[in-house]
Amino acid sequence: ETGVTQTPRHLVMGMTNKKSLKCEQHLGHNAMYWYKQSAKKPLELMFVYNFKEQTENNSVPSRFSPECPNSSHLFLHLHTLQPEDSALYLCASSQDLRGGRAAETQYFGPGTRLLVL
Amino acid sequence: AQKITQTQPGMFVQEKEAVTLDCTYDTSDPSYGLFWYKQPSSGEMIFLIYQGSYDQQNATEGRYSLNFQKARKSANLVISASQLGDSAMYFCAMREDTTGNQFYFGTGTSLTVIP
Repeated sequence: ETGVTQTPRHLVMGMTNKKSLKCEQHLGHNAMYWYKQSAKKPLELMFVYNFKEQTENNSVPSRFSPECPNSSHLFLHLHTLQPEDSALYLCASSQDLRGGRAAETQYFGPGTRLLVL
Repeated sequence: AQKITQTQPGMFVQEKEAVTLDCTYDTSDPSYGLFWYKQPSSGEMIFLIYQGSYDQQNATEGRYSLNFQKARKSANLVISASQLGDSAMYFCAMREDTTGNQFYFGTGTSLTVIP
């Protein structure tokens, strides 16, 4: 059983809909991440939370809104998306990697495949 | 500039043979880590192997080994005795100690194992 779960696994939404992606980690980690994976592109880091505080926001459009109520849960709220936002959205967790700990890896969830019509 | 470059979009290997997946990286940070992940069609990224910039020996994990050539800034993944279940996308990634939680990923290599 994976330590990081994501729901839903698949989502189809219209451009005017509002939906949320959920991520939960059971590994005792204190950092959580949202990535976007589009075809033939490197993974794009969207947001990072350390101890529930957002520490990275890589110029993500405001139609994506993250929420981290505690170290185990991470949400991505979606509002008025565009067709180009269709992608695989991956959640990951790790120990807090700031200040070293180069050997620590991230652990990924299975992703949510999002299609925006 | 790209931090991680994977120049092989697709690779084929005969079952039971070895295969090398290429990865080059770009950093000026003296302390960094290099990672390889496997992504099957199900979508989940699975951690395979890690190499630290100060490690003297190449990392090995079962059938996976990392050919680390620091001067060339390359970190190629070698899979020995390929199995059908090895068919997947493979991603090389790097984390620099100075940039905290930021991981940089390559575009990936699609590996197909032929029976």
